[in-house]
Amino acid sequence: GAVVSQHPSRVICKSGTSVKIECRSLDFQATTMFWYRQFPKQSLMLMATSNEGSKATYEQGVEKDKFLINHASLTLSTLTVTSAHPEDSSFYICSAGRHAEAFFGQGTRLTVV
Amino acid sequence: GDSVTQMEGPVTLSEEAFLTINCTYTATGYPSLFWYVQYPGEGLQLLLKATKADDKGSNKGFEATYRKETTSFHLEKGSVQVSDSAVYFCALIREYGNKLVFGAGTILRVKS
Repeated sequence: GAVVSQHPSRVICKSGTSVKIECRSLDFQATTMFWYRQFPKQSLMLMATSNEGSKATYEQGVEKDKFLINHASLTLSTLTVTSAHPEDSSFYICSAGRHAEAFFGQGTRLTVV
Repeated sequence: GDSVTQMEGPVTLSEEAFLTINCTYTATGYPSLFWYVQYPGEGLQLLLKATKADDKGSNKGFEATYRKETTSFHLEKGSVQVSDSAVYFCALIREYGNKLVFGAGTILRVKS
């Protein structure tokens, strides 16, 4: 099946710094990728839809200036958490769709200290 | 809007017990239906899927049948193993869509 790679798998950063998470589709081109956030013991919350060559579409309640998304190529989308705070600590997961099926990255565990 | 409702957990079973995790959905048209599994500390993996009514998805001993009349996609396994302990998510993609809608997830714990 299709492969989506997410990097890094874990990151610890200081409060006030920015962190970039990469999501790559390794064997297919993805015009659309999705970014999710998962709180402990909860389901996935869609944060935004990343569109290649255009602005991302954010879900209600998600701060676009806080969570910057760039989809510069058909195989790469990045999520940058700017000025991170401890409440941004979470598990972030990306996915890319192909033939009405979604493939997920391995997830990134972000811890802000 | 589209939604997925799945049974609350945690579900705790003994090894070799029969598993059912209920999932029902609300969506217009004919969505594609999925079950994903998430092991501790990992991302989601597709477990099985069904794209049209009466289709049965199966993988690793798990099965689910797309029931249009009851808008359901219940997950079943005849004999669970400790290694099946994980969180299971039911999800759909609406017809002609590309955005997944997830259920809340069900924690499964299998004891030896």
